Amino acid sequence: SQKIEQNSEALNIQEGKTATLTCNYTNYSPAYLQWYRQDPGRGPVFLLLIRENEKEKRKERLKVTFDTTLKQSLFHITASQPADSATYLCALDMRNSGYSTLTFGKGTMLLVSP
Amino acid sequence: DTEVTQTPKHLVMGMTNKKSLKCEQHMGHRAMYWYKQKAKKPPELMFVYSYEKLSINESVPSRFSPECPNSSLLNLHLHALQPEDSALYLCASSRTGTGGSEQYFGPGTRLTVT
Repeated sequence: SQKIEQNSEALNIQEGKTATLTCNYTNYSPAYLQWYRQDPGRGPVFLLLIRENEKEKRKERLKVTFDTTLKQSLFHITASQPADSATYLCALDMRNSGYSTLTFGKGTMLLVSP
Repeated sequence: DTEVTQTPKHLVMGMTNKKSLKCEQHMGHRAMYWYKQKAKKPPELMFVYSYEKLSINESVPSRFSPECPNSSLLNLHLHALQPEDSALYLCASSRTGTGGSEQYFGPGTRLTVT
């Protein structure tokens, strides 16, 4: 079965620095990979989606890369702010009986200090 | 309107009770999902509805019974639950169920089984 590893349970960085979060997976590559943000006690919020044939995707201060050879996605937040503090979830968009389902990693809790 | 609403926000029920969780979206999405999330764990998929038909049941015990009355509504009927079923139950929707669509999550229902 597919395993997903987000390499840090927690990541502490200083405001203004770039946060880099890692998502590794085993077995076969998904057609799509998604990143979500989750605040305590709330539902995940979609951030970015990247396709298997895309190397990089950007949205404002966010950037995601997808390397199907390494079976890895990197998620970057540039010029980080305390408001970016949250848990970030990587999700593999897998085909399941003809339908698309998300399998989430355990998440990385990011803490941005002023 | 990009909102998924869920009611109730909190629910406490005994092991012999019957209760229902409700989810609603008005984005015209054709796929809807139920997830279960325990503390400090990622969301785990329970059910997928595509075009109002149950498409995926991830081997969920029969004490959880989903229902999709129409394309905007999703219910989860609960009966004879166990204390270990206490969790945050998240509803989500996406434009299609065939991959490459981001999911919009509701705020969740915090369920406690006593």
